[in-house]
Amino acid sequence: EVQVVESGGGLAQPGRSLRLSCTGSGFTFGDYAMSWVRQAPGKGLEWVGFIRSEGFGGTKEYAASVKGRFAISRDDSTSTAYLQLNNLKIEDTGVYFCTRNSAEWELLADYWGQGTRVTVSS
Amino acid sequence: QVVLTQSPSASASLGASVKLTCTLSSGHSRYAIAWLQQQPEKGPRYLMKLHSDGSHNKGDGIPDRFSGSSSGAERYLTISSLQSDDEADYYCQTWGAGIQVFGGGTKLTVL
Repeated sequence: EVQVVESGGGLAQPGRSLRLSCTGSGFTFGDYAMSWVRQAPGKGLEWVGFIRSEGFGGTKEYAASVKGRFAISRDDSTSTAYLQLNNLKIEDTGVYFCTRNSAEWELLADYWGQGTRVTVSS
Repeated sequence: QVVLTQSPSASASLGASVKLTCTLSSGHSRYAIAWLQQQPEKGPRYLMKLHSDGSHNKGDGIPDRFSGSSSGAERYLTISSLQSDDEADYYCQTWGAGIQVFGGGTKLTVL
């Protein structure tokens, strides 16, 4: 069974950093692109960014709203993707979801985690 | 950049059918999309990928009650024989030029 599980959320002050983790199981992690998507309280889904598989260069793309502050990485040996959140802002508050992306379409999210909550507050 | 538009809310009675709409912005009518379901306090669940010709590929374990269709720039999700746990937010998603785009979501109420 394919599963993705996020962890690492919590409370952080504005300007501080957090690192979120996403562990995949039930599939060959290294073969898939992985995305991060967030959801502010009571709002819709917002794409944060994604990382391609190493087979496609492991390159990353980011939403304009987080580019330069957030960084995605992956460690295929532990089936884990990471989202480094730097210089946090109040508006970064929300639930952060990790997704496995389809083998055929690298930006089609076909499995989602349950999310990890990030609260940015002084 | 492609934009997806969804009605904020929809409602239908238990046992009835409902058709939700996702509209692609001008110039993007041939894009495929994905439909997602998000039940309260849960992560989204992938329902299906839907092409411009109406063909669709459902995710694992998605019941036959869920189907998709297309017409021009419109992408539809039809849910038949509505059940109480179909009450959820439904999002469409597409992609292009290295980015993912989501519609604003439709909140479905089952009466």
